[in-house]
Amino acid sequence: DAGITQSPRHKVTETGTPVTLRCHQTENHRYMYWYRQDPGHGLRLIHYSYGVKDTDKGEVSDGYSVSRSKTEDFLLTLESATSSQTSVYFCAISESLQGASPLHFGNGTRLTVT
Amino acid sequence: EDQVTQSPEALRLQEGESSSLNCSYTVSGLRGLFWYRQDPGKGPEFLFTLYSAGEEKEKERLKATLTKKESFLHITAPKPEDSATYLCAVPRGSQGNLIFGKGTKLSVKP
Repeated sequence: DAGITQSPRHKVTETGTPVTLRCHQTENHRYMYWYRQDPGHGLRLIHYSYGVKDTDKGEVSDGYSVSRSKTEDFLLTLESATSSQTSVYFCAISESLQGASPLHFGNGTRLTVT
Repeated sequence: EDQVTQSPEALRLQEGESSSLNCSYTVSGLRGLFWYRQDPGKGPEFLFTLYSAGEEKEKERLKATLTKKESFLHITAPKPEDSATYLCAVPRGSQGNLIFGKGTKLSVKP
C-alpha cells in the first residue's frame, strides 16, 4: 500500500465552523490531490498540488482552500463548513503527471456537517 | 467536454459466472485509462493502466481491454472476494488529475 495517511478518519462538525483535514505521505511524491466522493457524482477533484507551495483549483474548489508547506503534507481546509460539504474526502498522490503514473489513494475522511 | 460513463451501475453475479463491465469515454487525446477497485470504507485501489487501443492487461480473474472509445473489465469465474465497486478514470489537463466514472458495483454471491 502507498504510504498515505489521512486524519481524522471521521469527523462531525457544525455548520459555520472551520475544518482542516490532513494528508500525510511517506512516498516523497511531488503531486498530491484532494477529491470528494458523493453518491451520484463519483470522485471530483477539489484542489491539487504540484510541489511545495504550488497548488491549483479543481472542479469543485468553492469553499475550500489548501496548503502544502512540506512535500509530505497536504492540508484541506473548509473555511466555513456547510451541509453540502458532507462527504467522504480522499487524498491521492502520484509520482508524475500527464497520466504517466496512476494516482494512489488514502482511505478517506468521512465528514458530516450538521 | 471530457466525460467517462460506466455501465451497468450495479451487477449481481453468481460465483463462477463470467461477465464484463464497460467504461466509455470522450476525451481529446487519450493519455491513458485507469481501472480501480474500491471496497466499502476504503480508498480506490489501482488495478491497471491502458495506454493504446488493442492493449490488454490481466491480473488474476480480471482482464482489462481498450478500444478507441471504450474499455472493458472482464471478470472470469468471479469469486465473492471480487465484490467491490470498480471505477475507471482518464487523465484531464496537464497536472495528472483524473476524471472518474461513477463506478459499477459488483456483487458476487456464493
